[in-house]
Parts: sequence; structure tokens; C-alpha cells
Amino acid sequence: AQSVTQLDSHVSVSEGTPVLLRCNYSSSYSPSLFWYVQHPNKGLQLLLKYTSAATLVKGINGFEAEFKKSETSFHLTKPSAHMSDAAEYFCVVSDRYKIIFGKGTRLHILP
Amino acid sequence: GAGVSQSPRYKVAKRGQDVALRCDPISGHVSLFWYQQALGQGPEFLTYFQNEAQLDKSGLPSDRFFAERPEGSVSTLKIQRTQQEDSAVYLCASSLAGAVYSNQPQHFGDGTRLSIL
Repeated sequence: AQSVTQLDSHVSVSEGTPVLLRCNYSSSYSPSLFWYVQHPNKGLQLLLKYTSAATLVKGINGFEAEFKKSETSFHLTKPSAHMSDAAEYFCVVSDRYKIIFGKGTRLHILP
Repeated sequence: GAGVSQSPRYKVAKRGQDVALRCDPISGHVSLFWYQQALGQGPEFLTYFQNEAQLDKSGLPSDRFFAERPEGSVSTLKIQRTQQEDSAVYLCASSLAGAVYSNQPQHFGDGTRLSIL
């Protein structure tokens, strides 16, 4: 069965420190994986996607994610957080039959 | 701009009323998706169109929910005899690709926040 689990519902980091948002997935087929960001009262914006090419994927605004098949993980990272990164982040898995969103991780940036 | 446009942004209705939510996808996008996002949750898939064909409606929660895309562009999500549990943000997304669950990213509108009193 297909599923996606975002391991933290809230993450707080200080401005200028690294960000790590964790995502684990399961899929019976070779999935495509995405990270989206949602600012308050806005739709979702694509940060990056993995589609079976390079396992380290670079996205917008300095975000990266690494696909680790052995760990079934697709964690999102950023070396240095900025105040504007405060938002809700969704990990998404899509395969031949379904598309599923994680429950989201709210990122708080402390000044 | 040329993004996905949803209207209205906010809708308040009394329980039992019918509502209609509109989505204007990006021009030329083949795929169109509707999602329901409850407060504090991730979006949940409702239905998918490829052009005018509704290929998957497995996520529609009941037969009170109906979606159409008659000319393969604008789509309308209709909810009949609304209930309080229908209160949520309804998101529309479009994608250039014609495959259902492809590796193409989806472009989202800002959503319609529906409140049922």
C-alpha cells in the first residue's frame, strides 16, 4: 500500500541554522516524490521533485532533498534558514495509481 | 497572471444549501485535480480530469459531491445539501501532463475556503 509519513508536525529552528524536515514513504511501484510549501491562505508551491534521476535533488530557495531507497526516505534540508521559510511543508508521493500528501510539517523560524 | 485561479476565495453557506466552486486552470494544461484540505491536515485527493474526461472520482466523499469540466478547461466542483463536515479549503491544481499520476508537478490555486454554518 502507498503511504507517506512526515515524522514531525512542527519544527522550530533559529534563523541562519540548518533545516531538516523528515519524510518516509512506501509504494509498491517506483514513485515520484515531491515537496511542496504552503504559506498561509495560499495554494501549494512546488519546491522540488524526484523522478528516478539523480538521488540528490536541488529545488528553489536553497532547499534540497535526498532520495534514499534503502531507508524509504526523502528528507528536505536547507543549510541556513531564513525568516521567509516559515510555512507548512508537504511531502507527496505519486505512483501509477494514487497521489498522497503527508499531513504536513509546520516550520517555525526563531529570530 | 497565468496561474490557476479559483473563485470565490471564501464561501459561507447554511447547512443544506448547494454550493459551486470554480477553477480556471493554466491554459493548455491537460490534467486537473480537486483536493479537500481540512484544517491542520494535508490535501486529500477528490477527483481528476484529463481534458473533459473525469477519469478518477474515487476521492469524492459522497454522492453530494459532483465535479465537471465540460470543455476541458474550466472546472466546477458542486456540493449539494452541504453539511458541517464539508467545511474545508478546496484546492484545484492543474498539470501539463496527460498521465494520471505522472511525475509532472501540479500548479495549485489559492483555494476556496468553505464554511458551513
